[in-house]
Amino acid sequence: QSVLTQPPSVSGAPGQRVTISCTGTSSNIGAGYDVHWYQQAPGTAPKLLIYGTNNRPSGVPDRFSGSKSGTSASLAITGLQAEDEADYYCQAYDSSLSGSYVFGGGTRVTVL
Amino acid sequence: EVQLVESGGGLVQPGGSLRLSCAVSGFTFSSYWMSWVRQAPGKGLEWVANIKHDGSDKYYVESVKGRFTISRDNAKDSLYLQMNSLRAEDTAVYYCARSEYHSFNYWGQGTLVTVSS
Repeated sequence: QSVLTQPPSVSGAPGQRVTISCTGTSSNIGAGYDVHWYQQAPGTAPKLLIYGTNNRPSGVPDRFSGSKSGTSASLAITGLQAEDEADYYCQAYDSSLSGSYVFGGGTRVTVL
Repeated sequence: EVQLVESGGGLVQPGGSLRLSCAVSGFTFSSYWMSWVRQAPGKGLEWVANIKHDGSDKYYVESVKGRFTISRDNAKDSLYLQMNSLRAEDTAVYYCARSEYHSFNYWGQGTLVTVSS
């Protein structure tokens, strides 16, 4: 059971907008810590997609955006493309255990 | 170009030991916190341990405390994970990752550790 809760899967047609939720608690997202998102294509290492809740590293398309409110965060993908089919993970720092980082269970995005 | 290359994975019996290494290049290794993150087969990501720039602070996920030790050699631009008393549930791909602002902004390709008799 992951500390951060994500839906197991979401799907959408090419060009559509999909969102992935990430629900935490008062010791991680609710404590004000930034949320980060990773994309993992099959058989590859994770790649940082969004850092600091809503910032994109160089090279990440602006179709990807992040937001946060209270104890939850969201990743939105607009203009869904076939290449976006992957697993997505949220991550945050958790103050309940010293130096601890927590991940969501991951969400598989399927492009129909 | 930032590169992280893990090595040292393999098949080990329950109760055995293994030492993972991560060689980095393309950035000033001694300026960054570094972490190990693992992924069991077909499962999600789990942070395992991290270490401060100079090695003075180290943190671990509860399930590996007392069994795993993270270390680094800044002169060799290398990160290590000594894993003792290995259990079946430690079976996973282990990634080294560079930490920045509480995120993991660069990852290696991973090394597979299989604990089985």
